[in-house]
Amino acid sequence: DIQLTQSPSSLSASVGDRVTITCRASQGISSFLAWYQQKPGKAPNLLIYAASTLQSGVPSRFSGSGSGTRFTLTISSLQPEDFGSYYCQQLRSYPLTFGGGTKVEIK
Amino acid sequence: QLQLQESGPGLVKPSETLSLTCTVSGGSIRSSSYYWGWIRQSPGKGLEWVGSIFYSGSTYYNPSLGSRVSISVDTSKNQFSLNLRSLIAADTAVYYCMRDSDCSGGYCFATPGGGLVGHWGQGVLVTVSS
Repeated sequence: DIQLTQSPSSLSASVGDRVTITCRASQGISSFLAWYQQKPGKAPNLLIYAASTLQSGVPSRFSGSGSGTRFTLTISSLQPEDFGSYYCQQLRSYPLTFGGGTKVEIK
Repeated sequence: QLQLQESGPGLVKPSETLSLTCTVSGGSIRSSSYYWGWIRQSPGKGLEWVGSIFYSGSTYYNPSLGSRVSISVDTSKNQFSLNLRSLIAADTAVYYCMRDSDCSGGYCFATPGGGLVGHWGQGVLVTVSS
């Protein structure tokens, strides 16, 4: 199975800050990586797929980059509504796997 | 607007079988080229893909669940279902039904059964306990 390791596991940042979350894969997955945001008590929501393609309707302050084994999700200017947990997912091979998550809190 | 709704018991005894159903509204399971499936989330293991199914019945499962898992589809009712047998405490989780997302360009997924989740149900908490 392909393991995904996210860092940090949690962070606290102020509104307007630039936030970066990293996802590392245990083996190369090309660009078959997606990012999801999850609010407490809700299902996850797709933000980015193919490592860097923004899902329709997602604000442009979210961006993704990377390929192979190292990927990043960046929020260029953190907004109050961006609190929650963020997960990466690999779609290179079965079983599909997710990272352990990064919890984002607003200072 | 596509909506997915899980239904099933919230409490199941160890060694018994969990049966969950996902009812789809706002679209037909048959009229698309998407895969449908289940993902679960537990505090101990985070998000875990359970399996996926196409309306024709083609399925893909997480090997970690072995022969305990099966997913079926009933196109006449616009539903698909999850059966998980020989339950253990570690199966306690929120179970989400889901559908693949639209995506453009390449690198959406390399897996034959998709898995890029664009639509989720609200989730149902299943507790395995005697």
